[in-house]
Amino acid sequence: GAGVSQSPSNKVTEKGKDVELRCDPISGHTALYWYRQSLGQGLEFLIYFQGNSAPDKSGLPSDRFSAERTGGSVSTLTIQRTQQEDSAVYLCASSLAAQGRGETQYFGPGTRLLVL
Amino acid sequence: DQQVKQNSPSLSVQEGRISILNCDYTNSMFDYFLWYKKYPAEGPTFLISISSIKDKNEDGRFTVFLNKSAKHLSLHIVPSQPGDSAVYFCAASAKTGGATNKLIFGTGTLLAVQP
Repeated sequence: GAGVSQSPSNKVTEKGKDVELRCDPISGHTALYWYRQSLGQGLEFLIYFQGNSAPDKSGLPSDRFSAERTGGSVSTLTIQRTQQEDSAVYLCASSLAAQGRGETQYFGPGTRLLVL
Repeated sequence: DQQVKQNSPSLSVQEGRISILNCDYTNSMFDYFLWYKKYPAEGPTFLISISSIKDKNEDGRFTVFLNKSAKHLSLHIVPSQPGDSAVYFCAASAKTGGATNKLIFGTGTLLAVQP
């Protein structure tokens, strides 16, 4: 079956513009995560969705970042008024569930965002 | 504050030899540890994991060792193969009582296996 897909694969934008990044999780996976990897850094947790529960937004770096997950499937990460420090690879992951330990998270290929 | 540390940014080994990748953590609440492998332009792929109730987990050529007292884990690959060349990330999660299974990642180690 298809893995996690993300679009666009690359995005170049100007400082101050808004961007939307899309994630299609693996069908049937109820848990969805967004991470980002800045240059020379590890992956940084941003936000998590699980079914109909309220999302865990504890990793969002500022109020310019928001995400939604429609119908429990596709998710969109929106960055408003982008800044150069937002340049990073944004990775989406999904898993069968978050309950219980050790649910493997499957990652998409990422969206490479460059803010000029 | 880096809770998961991979102090070696790169490692080079000869094909057929053992590769040992190291990871240290600071948060004593971490109780589950994972290794992910990442090729360029791809997302990380899960490799192997270990629960804090164990000190070793083996899967084929890959073995993860956990030393809780030292807050240290390592990934052993033997024998190493050129296809193992990739960036390896160590990750950890904590039992917080909530549902989030968010992973805290290290900065990665680039492994190069020389033929």
